[in-house]
Amino acid sequence: RKEVEQDPGPFNVPEGATVAFNCTYSNSASQSFFWYRQDCRKEPKLLMSVYSSGNEDGRFTAQLNRASQYISLLIRDSKLSDSATYLCVVTRGYKLSFGAGTTVTVRA
Amino acid sequence: NAGVTQTPKFRVLKTGQSMTLLCAQDMNHEYMYWYRQDPGMGLRLIHYSVGEGTTAKGEVPDGYNVSRLKKQNFLLGLESAAPSQTSVYFCASSPVQQETQYFGPGTRLLVL
Repeated sequence: RKEVEQDPGPFNVPEGATVAFNCTYSNSASQSFFWYRQDCRKEPKLLMSVYSSGNEDGRFTAQLNRASQYISLLIRDSKLSDSATYLCVVTRGYKLSFGAGTTVTVRA
Repeated sequence: NAGVTQTPKFRVLKTGQSMTLLCAQDMNHEYMYWYRQDPGMGLRLIHYSVGEGTTAKGEVPDGYNVSRLKKQNFLLGLESAAPSQTSVYFCASSPVQQETQYFGPGTRLLVL
């Protein structure tokens, strides 16, 4: 079983829509959680950290559910520029485990 | 402030050839990492370093070697390239463990 699993999508949504997706992780000892964004053929960049109490950054909301071992990302009022692959990242010690990514395409 | 840079951006090798990928960071970060990214598999850690002069194996180290002689540089070597090493290679750095990692732009390697 992979350490981090994501629905690959793609999620194809119109501008202005809300889109949400989850990521599950297998190791209950995982310590820190992040969402990274990766544009086509570019490097991953940090989108936001995920805190136990949940957190927002503008139109983006991240949630962590340790009991069920998943994290989620919700994007409100989608923009064309939100089209990207979103990588779920889970850490344990030095090790970062990356999901394969969820692709979101926002259409005009 | 260039952040993390990688050289070269793209390379084609024949099976059995060797090469070195260079990663440089100007943020004075202690930790540096080499990943490979293959379709549908996510990034996988090859080797990492927790400081100058130290290296350690990651998830998929076979066929690769690394060196960190200077804090700002982390080199990834392929001694005898194989087609299975065709991939996109990303270098990353972070100030401390479990903090945000900053990635370089990647090196696309094709082994024929």
